[in-house]
Amino acid sequence: NAGVTQTPKFQVLKTGQSMTLQCAQDMNHNSMYWYRQDPGMGLRLIYYSASEGTTDKGEVPNGYNVSRLNKREFSLRLESAAPSQTSVYFCASSDQGAQGYTFGSGTRLTVV
Amino acid sequence: GENVEQHPSTLSVQEGDSAVIKCTYSDSASNYFPWYKQELGKRPQLIIDIRSNVGEKKDQRIAVTLNKTAKHFSLHITETQPEDSAVYFCAASGYSTLTFGKGTMLLVSP
Repeated sequence: NAGVTQTPKFQVLKTGQSMTLQCAQDMNHNSMYWYRQDPGMGLRLIYYSASEGTTDKGEVPNGYNVSRLNKREFSLRLESAAPSQTSVYFCASSDQGAQGYTFGSGTRLTVV
Repeated sequence: GENVEQHPSTLSVQEGDSAVIKCTYSDSASNYFPWYKQELGKRPQLIIDIRSNVGEKKDQRIAVTLNKTAKHFSLHITETQPEDSAVYFCAASGYSTLTFGKGTMLLVSP
């Protein structure tokens, strides 16, 4: 029972490159989330999926897209990476809306 | 949308002292208020939460209080230990998503 698994753990991109961050959960949770964490800024919501088949924008969605591939998997895509997207990205899942988030271990992304 | 303010941004205490972190929120519809602890390089982990129908909740050395009228809630840690050193985040939610405060770095000196 791995909980929430994120890949990769570290990534360096050049400006303009694209990549997809993967997230999978094995807890049969309905809701999944992507947050970014920057120094002094806390955790800010990028996108979320309240249930399989739905996705919604969060506080900072610009420059990102998401796909809820199935109930287990929720991916985050950067189409054209920018230095401002250098951050630590956390995926989370929950069974009861916002209550009881379980976080993944994070992806540290650097865009140069 | 919801806005959560958290203070202080850093807090230094001596081992055995108490620590208090305060948060305010803006959306009166919010009804769930968790606290997360994040150690350096690790994921945030839930340490305690409170719902709007409760004024206070305790779990060993940790307690959370909620004042819905004033829209603020606080984390209290008693008898602090060096292993309590971490960043603490408060959050607020109506139903679907959590809005986090910017975090408090707690440093407990032996």
